[in-house]
Amino acid sequence: QVQLQESGPGLVKPSETLSLTCTVSGDSITSNHWSWIRQSPEKGLEWIAYLYPGGAPKYNPSFQSRVVISRDTSKSHLYLRIASVTAADTAVYYCARTTVQGSTDVWGQGALVTVSS
Amino acid sequence: DIVMTQPPLSLPVTPGEPASISCRSSQSLLYSNGNNYLDWYLQRPGQSPQLLIYLGSYRASGVPDRFSGSGSGTDFTLTISRVEAGDVGIYYCMQALQTPYTFGQGTKLEIK
Repeated sequence: QVQLQESGPGLVKPSETLSLTCTVSGDSITSNHWSWIRQSPEKGLEWIAYLYPGGAPKYNPSFQSRVVISRDTSKSHLYLRIASVTAADTAVYYCARTTVQGSTDVWGQGALVTVSS
Repeated sequence: DIVMTQPPLSLPVTPGEPASISCRSSQSLLYSNGNNYLDWYLQRPGQSPQLLIYLGSYRASGVPDRFSGSGSGTDFTLTISRVEAGDVGIYYCMQALQTPYTFGQGTKLEIK
């Protein structure tokens, strides 16, 4: 059974960097694509980026200048960093497994991140 | 970006009755391989979204056959043949034809 668990600070100050970790169990992160998706009342569900099986990232151009995603295969960890955050980055952040057809078939439980001073 | 539209925002349904949820994309999701790159997700209250239908009409693992997806190109429908109380939540469509993947705003299924 594939499980994903997001972790990280729940509160980030404006202009600082949001950092989240996703721990994957039950599957190899060198298989499939691995996505970061966020959800806010204002913008709904937004696809942020994913990692290809080889580790290369694909970003949503709306985030590209501020976002970096990466992985540590030895730990089965995925990482999300968003720089220069504002209140608009307040959201629930999900890591998820995305198939080669683009379908996101396994989701983490989500991590609420609030941007506030 | 491809824009996904889901009218209406809310859909009250009587248990045991059928329900249909619509989704429209701003450009065709039909690829040259014959697949429509359109997924349906259900987000139950307090939970993460879960995949129901992929490639327009294929049920994901464990999804009851009460759920079916249809449509092609720019117009798609999710049909629930007999609504149950556990089906309440927000239904989203998402296009996976091209990045950035984009979601509809969701249709909230409510029980009358």
